[in-house]
Amino acid sequence: KQEVTQIPAALSVPEGENLVLNCSFTDSAIYNLQWFRQDPGKGLTSLLLIQSSQREQTSGRLNASLDKSSGRSTLYIAASQPGDSATYLCAVRRGGSSNTGKLIFGQGTTLQVKP
Amino acid sequence: DTGVSQDPRHKITKRGQNVTFRCDPISEHNRLYWYRQTLGQGPEFLTYFQNEAQLEKSRLLSDRFSAERPKGSFSTLEIQRTEQGDSAMYLCASSRGDRGLQETQYFGPGTRLLVL
Repeated sequence: KQEVTQIPAALSVPEGENLVLNCSFTDSAIYNLQWFRQDPGKGLTSLLLIQSSQREQTSGRLNASLDKSSGRSTLYIAASQPGDSATYLCAVRRGGSSNTGKLIFGQGTTLQVKP
Repeated sequence: DTGVSQDPRHKITKRGQNVTFRCDPISEHNRLYWYRQTLGQGPEFLTYFQNEAQLEKSRLLSDRFSAERPKGSFSTLEIQRTEQGDSAMYLCASSRGDRGLQETQYFGPGTRLLVL
């Protein structure tokens, strides 16, 4: 059974810091991994999607890496801003015969960037 | 793209009542997903449709839950005889297909359900 874990559950940093959010998964047979942002009481916004054959994806100040063999992904946020404050969720889509499209989510990391 | 829309955004109901939620996916997206999210947790998969066919249902989806996607467009999720444990955010997502970034799932704003 695929399980996704995100550590830490919460993180508070001063504005301008570079930071790393961690995501681990127990079954390396994934199809892809997606990072989302969720603002309080809102839906999810897709940030980055990494295919299982890729090692990283970048969008602006965000960089996501994937190491399938160790079951890990990281989301790197450069020069953090107060507007980055939100909950960040990672989700994996299983591969092989279990590839039905559904995502399995971690519990999220709630980030607060202080001005 | 106008995005995924969900209606209503909020629903308060009494235990034992039936509720129905609607999701309108991004046009031309053939896959539609329902997830449930409780406070402090990540979303959990409920069910998904490829066009009008419901291809997978989670064990979380008890017989009080039913979902439809007539004609492969909008979808409805009905909960019968609601219980307090059904209180959660119900999220809908859609995706286009299985090619590269088209696999990205786009989420709606969610319907927050409170069962009193």
